[in-house]
Amino acid sequence: QSVLTQPPSASGTPGQGVTISCSGSSSNIGYNYVSWYQQLPGTAPKLLIYRNNQRPSGVPDRFSGSKSGTSASLAISGLRSEDETDYYCAAWDDSLSGAVFGGGTQLTVL
Amino acid sequence: QLQLQESGPGLVKPSETLSLTCSVSGGSISSSTSSWGWIRQPPGKGLEWIASIYQSVSTYYNPSLRSRVTISVDTSQNQFSLKVRSVTAADTAVYYCARESDFWSGRGGASFDYWGQGSLVTVSS
Repeated sequence: QSVLTQPPSASGTPGQGVTISCSGSSSNIGYNYVSWYQQLPGTAPKLLIYRNNQRPSGVPDRFSGSKSGTSASLAISGLRSEDETDYYCAAWDDSLSGAVFGGGTQLTVL
Repeated sequence: QLQLQESGPGLVKPSETLSLTCSVSGGSISSSTSSWGWIRQPPGKGLEWIASIYQSVSTYYNPSLRSRVTISVDTSQNQFSLKVRSVTAADTAVYYCARESDFWSGRGGASFDYWGQGSLVTVSS
């Protein structure tokens, strides 16, 4: 049972957009920054979004993040086949004094 | 460009201690704007944060693993390490080391921007 809650799966068609949600609490998302990761099979996770909505250099602007209260979202526009993989949200939790990850969302591009 | 590389045995016997080292190149492990962490991923499952260390002395542990885990830094070797004691099959996972870039802000701690390639550790007799 993850501290941050994500839907286990999401799907969209090429060219369309999809949003993945991440629900937490006041001790994590409510106060601290949210990060999002993309993990391709057999590889290390890649930071997609940090500080709720900032993209590291090299991440396409098709990926965007937002936060409202104790929830956050990752939006992917103009879906491509290569976007079909796993996505994780993460944040620091002040009550636990540690980082927490969501359970992950497997994105399917139909 | 910062690079991280995990090293350690790929097979550990039950009840023994798992030891991993992460060698950092292209930057200093003493950086005041970096913290260093370990994250693991059991086969077919999600990511689990294990521990982080900031400024070489401030350590933070996953509450579910705190009693068995130690993270430490060796500034002379520019590397940091993880020890997990009394391992069981449930500790079988790919272990990643990573640099976290936002802990210093007071609202970060989960922005891991550089990762090692991962080290598969199997616990089995």
